[in-house]
Amino acid sequence: DGGITQSPKYLFRKEGQNVTLSCEQNLNHDAMYWYRQDPGQGLRLIYYSQIVNDFQKGDIAEGYSVSREKKESFPLTVTSAQKNPTAFYLCASSFPGTGAGQPQHFGDGTRLSIL
Amino acid sequence: DQQVKQNSPSLSVQEGRISILNCDYTNSMFDYFLWYKKYPAEGPTFLISISSIKDKNEDGRFTVFLNKSAKHLSLHIVPSQPGDSAVYFCAASVRNRDDKIIFGKGTRLHILP
Repeated sequence: DGGITQSPKYLFRKEGQNVTLSCEQNLNHDAMYWYRQDPGQGLRLIYYSQIVNDFQKGDIAEGYSVSREKKESFPLTVTSAQKNPTAFYLCASSFPGTGAGQPQHFGDGTRLSIL
Repeated sequence: DQQVKQNSPSLSVQEGRISILNCDYTNSMFDYFLWYKKYPAEGPTFLISISSIKDKNEDGRFTVFLNKSAKHLSLHIVPSQPGDSAVYFCAASVRNRDDKIIFGKGTRLHILP
């Protein structure tokens, strides 16, 4: 059963700590993405990767870091430099060429809260 | 500046009637448009898309209309069903440039019994 798995579903972080959100996909997609959703807001792109060992900053990359060592995995680290990390984080993947008709598929998200 | 705008935060429609969700965009380079549906605490799911070479795309109860001159698209759901109650995101991208999609802020649709 193919899909995107995000873990954990809920995550709590103390101020000053880094925390890593997991995203794994078995859809054989080349491209992977991280978005952040805040109440009343759309999805804002944090980082994306079109191929293994390569990634680009999105619109709100400050305070975040990623790696793409494997095709299936695209973990997101929320660092202590992120001033307002409380949000719902969504991971997505797609075949290349979204503009050619390849929609992104999303995981069920991780809700991060600061203690 | 928002490139994809959904000006109605919420919409209520009677079950069985037509739901019309609207979306405007500012970037004339956008040539591929998508609609996603999202339930609370879940990820968005792809609903329907349209290329800029078309002005209409239909899939079952869902139809998307594109008016390029007005930079406007709309999603029609008919007949509306209780399970359609969700947040709907409009999104747009530029073909063959990169794989980035720009999302609107979403419209919450309530289907009334």
